[in-house]
Amino acid sequence: GAVVSQHPSWVICKSGTSVKIECRSLDFQATTMFWYRQFPKQSLMLMATSNEGSKATYEQGVEKDKFLINHASLTLSTLTVTSAHPEDSSFYICSASRGARVNEAFFGQGTRLTVV
Amino acid sequence: DAKTTQPPSMDCAEGRAANLPCNHSTISGNEYVYWYRQIHSQGPQYIIHGLKNNETNEMASLIITEDRKSSTLILPHATLRDTAVYYCIPYNQGGKLIFGQGTELSVKP
Repeated sequence: GAVVSQHPSWVICKSGTSVKIECRSLDFQATTMFWYRQFPKQSLMLMATSNEGSKATYEQGVEKDKFLINHASLTLSTLTVTSAHPEDSSFYICSASRGARVNEAFFGQGTRLTVV
Repeated sequence: DAKTTQPPSMDCAEGRAANLPCNHSTISGNEYVYWYRQIHSQGPQYIIHGLKNNETNEMASLIITEDRKSSTLILPHATLRDTAVYYCIPYNQGGKLIFGQGTELSVKP
């Protein structure tokens, strides 16, 4: 099946620094990518929808200035957590869609962010 | 978006069928029922989806009630590798995939 790759798989950063997470669709062009956040023992929470060549659409309560999303090409979207704080520590997951059907959406393996 | 109700956890013996129920009584007519699962510390994996009819693929079977207010995912011969959180998600194609709390399935030897 199609592959979506996230990088890095895990990252530890100091409080106040910024961290960039990459999401790549390896064998298809993704018109839309989604970013989720998951805290321990909780479900995935949709943060934003990223469309190639346009601004991301953020879900209610998600700070767009803190979580910068760039979808510069049909195979790459990036999420930058700016001025990270310990409460931003979480599991971040992206999905890439090559069509409107959700079974054509594939998830990355996730990125474990720990802010110390 | 339709809300779902799933049991928080279930156990199943290895080799037996796992039947995971989901209530989605507010599902709209154009929403499909999708099932995903998430193995610990990995990204979700698509399992199966359906609109009205029952569906079967190499991973599972999906039984949808006639009124579409509930569905059951069936793993015919559960293995230890099927231990995961299973999510039932009503989805309007072209919309956003919104995850509920899911069912944590533990397959035991």
